[in-house]
Amino acid sequence: EPEVTQTPSHQVTQMGQEVILRCVPISNHLYFYWYRQILGQKVEFLVSFYNNEISEKSEIFDDQFSVERPDGSNFTLKIRSTKLEDSAMYFCASSEDTDTQYFGPGTRLTVL
Amino acid sequence: SQKIEQNSEALNIQEGKTATLTCNYTNYSPAYLQWYRQDPGRGPVFLLLIRENEKEKRKERLKVTFDTTLKQSLFHITASQPADSATYLCALVGDNAGNMLTFGGGTRLMVKP
Repeated sequence: EPEVTQTPSHQVTQMGQEVILRCVPISNHLYFYWYRQILGQKVEFLVSFYNNEISEKSEIFDDQFSVERPDGSNFTLKIRSTKLEDSAMYFCASSEDTDTQYFGPGTRLTVL
Repeated sequence: SQKIEQNSEALNIQEGKTATLTCNYTNYSPAYLQWYRQDPGRGPVFLLLIRENEKEKRKERLKVTFDTTLKQSLFHITASQPADSATYLCALVGDNAGNMLTFGGGTRLMVKP
């Protein structure tokens, strides 16, 4: 069964550094998303992406965040200057239409 | 303000029994509602989707109901097994919020053998 994959599984970085989290969505899917989950808290929406542009974003997704689909398979989330409070699990998801979203296994980001 | 509430306390049941989990929402008009399973340190796994005009949906041992008058969804696992132990999340998509998912805090289910 097709799956969303994410790399790396764990990323450790110093505060102020840039990180890029990578995702390979399911191949025939058209909608792509990033969510995050701070330890012990709810899963929170960050951004959705369709037709090569951002379709929605939350208040969390400020100027420090950006997304890109650099080729036909990858979908990336960049955090320009990481803060301690960016430490969380980051989940990529994809969907064929506007219904069911399929999530990847996540990248655990630790900012020191 | 919009709220999605799930029972934050763990639900402990005996193997073979039916587990019933609740998702309540306020100040929301969801177009549809989804249930996901999440294991520790893993991503949410899609289980079922139910639309606002559907009362009930079933898949194997799983059943979801959706009452837009009560603003509540119930999620049932029949003949529960220890392997069903996980956190179960409900997530809503509003009728005017694109397809952004808003998640509840989840209910942890423990099925004892």
